[in-house]
Amino acid sequence: AQSVTQLGSHVSVSEGALVLLRCNYSSSVPPYLFWYVQYPNQGLQLLLKYTTGATLVKGINGFEAEFKKSETSFHLTKPSAHMSDAAEYFCAVSSDTGRRALTFGSGTRLQVQP
Amino acid sequence: SQTIHQWPATLVQPVGSPLSLECTVEGTSNPNLYWYRQAAGRGLQLLFYSVGIGQISSEVPQNLSASRPQDRQFILSSKKLLLSDSGFYLCAWSQRKGYGYTFGSGTRLTVV
Repeated sequence: AQSVTQLGSHVSVSEGALVLLRCNYSSSVPPYLFWYVQYPNQGLQLLLKYTTGATLVKGINGFEAEFKKSETSFHLTKPSAHMSDAAEYFCAVSSDTGRRALTFGSGTRLQVQP
Repeated sequence: SQTIHQWPATLVQPVGSPLSLECTVEGTSNPNLYWYRQAAGRGLQLLFYSVGIGQISSEVPQNLSASRPQDRQFILSSKKLLLSDSGFYLCAWSQRKGYGYTFGSGTRLTVV
């Protein structure tokens, strides 16, 4: 079974500050890891994904995440927050076996203060 | 390019009424299709997934059902809605052997 834990349901940062959203996963097989962003009343948009290869993954809008197998983590970072980054962020895990469906974390709502 | 369409965008239905939400994918064939639900203040819960026409797997026992009458069409239904069925419903697809998941724009369902 797979699971995802996102630490902190709400994170608030100042504009220009570092963004760090935490994600830890549990998987008995090599995982595929994803970060999605959701703006109010919209679907989910893929920010970035890790499947194989380089453990530091760069995504859209200046976000990146690093897969750390030893820590079972896939934290999302951005060096400098913009007001437009305010949204809800979901970490998700899947695998190359089974039903290939995503298991999501409970989400982290990011607020950006001016 | 591939696109996913989901409708309606919003829906208000009385308790006990039927439900039909539709999702279609264009520009690909044999996709994996998924229905997720997002309840207020909660994460996303997988409801159903399908790897082919007529092949539906249910993740959570409830009064909802899903059907896949065509390769790129996925329908979520209910015969009698409950208040607890309110939420944001998202359809998604992925390539059969790929790693990408693309979501539709969602349907906001309010059961009153």
